[in-house]
Amino acid sequence: GAGVSQSPSNKVTEKGKDVELRCDPISGHTALYWYRQSLGQGLEFLIYFQGNSAPDKSGLPSDRFSAERTGGSVSTLTIQRTQQEDSAVYLCASSLALAGSYNEQFFGPGTRLTVL
Amino acid sequence: SQQGEEDPQALSIQEGENATMNCSYKTSINNLQWYRQNSGRGLVHLILIRSNEREKHSGRLRVTLDTSKKSSSLLITASRAADTASYFCARDTGRRALTFGSGTRLQVQP
Repeated sequence: GAGVSQSPSNKVTEKGKDVELRCDPISGHTALYWYRQSLGQGLEFLIYFQGNSAPDKSGLPSDRFSAERTGGSVSTLTIQRTQQEDSAVYLCASSLALAGSYNEQFFGPGTRLTVL
Repeated sequence: SQQGEEDPQALSIQEGENATMNCSYKTSINNLQWYRQNSGRGLVHLILIRSNEREKHSGRLRVTLDTSKKSSSLLITASRAADTASYFCARDTGRRALTFGSGTRLQVQP
């Protein structure tokens, strides 16, 4: 596609429910990132996928958070048993991540998650 | 936690004036990037400056990098109302995931 797409654009859920957020990266981009942004704050790194390598999960805040990337393309971020502090905008980005490249990232429009 | 910060946190100027935003960081970098964000949604890449560069221009944007002081600045010249947005610096430390600051919220008054 022309850019990174994310769905849904907005998600309202009740505390304790599970949610799934989807990201479609730019075709041909091997690297995919998930970030979280709380209101008025910067971006917090969550997880990074690169090709077939094991993902870098070092930013996931708890074991309620998980992500997968199927077929090296679409990614799903799952939050189990959501809490109110999970409310934020979840941003996905992709990049070419070629060896020696300078890692310009292309962002999707984000999913605004509200946990009531 | 965020490694480095932008300042000021907020900036309000009149159309036609220049806007300067600063970014400081703590660890060594491969490159530093500036992004723009409208209305709290997706970020748009503006400019990238490599660690061995000191200054870079792109249209009305001018970025400087001082690795000895671990700081960078973004200058927007002849600002327009449409430049109103949040601006973030992001450090590439080689870990692939960028490290973002908390951003500067720029308001350009028409």
